Amino acid sequence: QSALTQPASVSGSPGQSITISCTGTSSDVGSYNYVSWYQQHPGKAPKLMIYDVTKRPSGVSNRFSGSKSGNTASLTISGLQGEDEADYYCTSYTSSNAWVFGGGTKLTVL
Amino acid sequence: QVQLLESGPGLVKPSETLSLTCSVSGGSISVHYWGWIRQPPGKGLEWIGNIHSSGITNYNPSLKSRGTISVDTSKNEFSLAVTSVTAADTAVYFCVRLFNWQFDSWGRGTLVSVSS
Repeated sequence: QSALTQPASVSGSPGQSITISCTGTSSDVGSYNYVSWYQQHPGKAPKLMIYDVTKRPSGVSNRFSGSKSGNTASLTISGLQGEDEADYYCTSYTSSNAWVFGGGTKLTVL
Repeated sequence: QVQLLESGPGLVKPSETLSLTCSVSGGSISVHYWGWIRQPPGKGLEWIGNIHSSGITNYNPSLKSRGTISVDTSKNEFSLAVTSVTAADTAVYFCVRLFNWQFDSWGRGTLVSVSS
């Protein structure tokens, strides 16, 4: 199984919105609404931010939102804050009864 | 709030077996699936595999059958073994809970280095 494709880096200024894409295939992202997103600060464990494409766990800011179109899922962060600077990973369930991650995107808040 | 804690050797010699255990507290291991995810230094996340307390497992094919996940419900813990390790297996290993279709709880992670 090939990794999902994410941009290596994105950046934005405080208060702006950014979107991170996550492109898979018809065997994963395109076939299942089981895409989740994780935020990872340096030296820390990843934290679940979005699951089932669009749902937010309790305690996650509503500035984080998810969507999907075809084989591409997206994470949007609005009202960027300095604390949002981190690495972000998407993952999807696949038709092989497995999970595949994206390569990760480094978000820089300018 | 379930908590997970990885334990095991931080250094393994090439060709030997990497063994890690994840202790689960704050919840029963008999519910949900549990798994392992690793992250080589400076790189991205890689799903290794999952297990249910019933013993049902599924693994990432990229491990080429070198990985085995087992569960001990009496101790509320589960384990990972990776055989014939090489430098490519050097990584931070995270144990996780799979809640429905997402990894909602993570251990702190433990670095395992493969070196002679």
